[in-house]
Amino acid sequence: GAVVSQHPSRVICKSGTSVKIECRSLDFQATTMFWYRQFPKQSLMLMATSNEGSKATYEQGVEKDKFLINHASLTLSTLTVTSAHPEDSSFYICSALDGNLYEQYFGPGTRLTVT
Amino acid sequence: KNEVEQSPQNLTAQEGEFITINCSYSVGISALHWLQQHPGGGIVSLFMLSSGKKKHGRLIATINIQEKHSSLHITASHPRDSAVYICAVRGEETSGSRLTFGEGTQLTVNP
Repeated sequence: GAVVSQHPSRVICKSGTSVKIECRSLDFQATTMFWYRQFPKQSLMLMATSNEGSKATYEQGVEKDKFLINHASLTLSTLTVTSAHPEDSSFYICSALDGNLYEQYFGPGTRLTVT
Repeated sequence: KNEVEQSPQNLTAQEGEFITINCSYSVGISALHWLQQHPGGGIVSLFMLSSGKKKHGRLIATINIQEKHSSLHITASHPRDSAVYICAVRGEETSGSRLTFGEGTQLTVNP
């Protein structure tokens, strides 16, 4: 079946640094990718939607300058958490939409810890 | 009231039991997803439904569009089925195929 990968799976960084998370669709072209954030014991919260070759659409309350999203190709989207702070510590999950099947596949997630 | 509601929130079962998790939604949808999230965090898409019923191994998912209701059934449950099960719907008129998620059902299957 279709696979979506994320890298890294977990990262620890110091406050003030930037962290890049990659999301790749491995065997299909993803016209649309989604980035979610999940706090402990809570459901997924959509942060932004990105379409290949265009600017991401951010959800209300999500700072676009802090969470930079680039969807440069049909198989890769990146989320960069800039000037990370401890409150950015969370589980970040990407999802990719297979435009042909209209099926949405989820990545394994990236656990970010900011110290 | 949430657009997507799941019941129960928590479910404990003995190995071998038949399990049902319910999902009700209040909006028109184009598709409904059942997702599984293990303690490590990774999410697996179990089913995508727009009508009827789907089966994969011991898992069965049904949807009733008129009643705006879906169920996920697990037959012959096993401890490895322990996970959070999440119902998510894609609305009829949504931009970018956004999903609305239920709160999840924590399933624990004891040996």
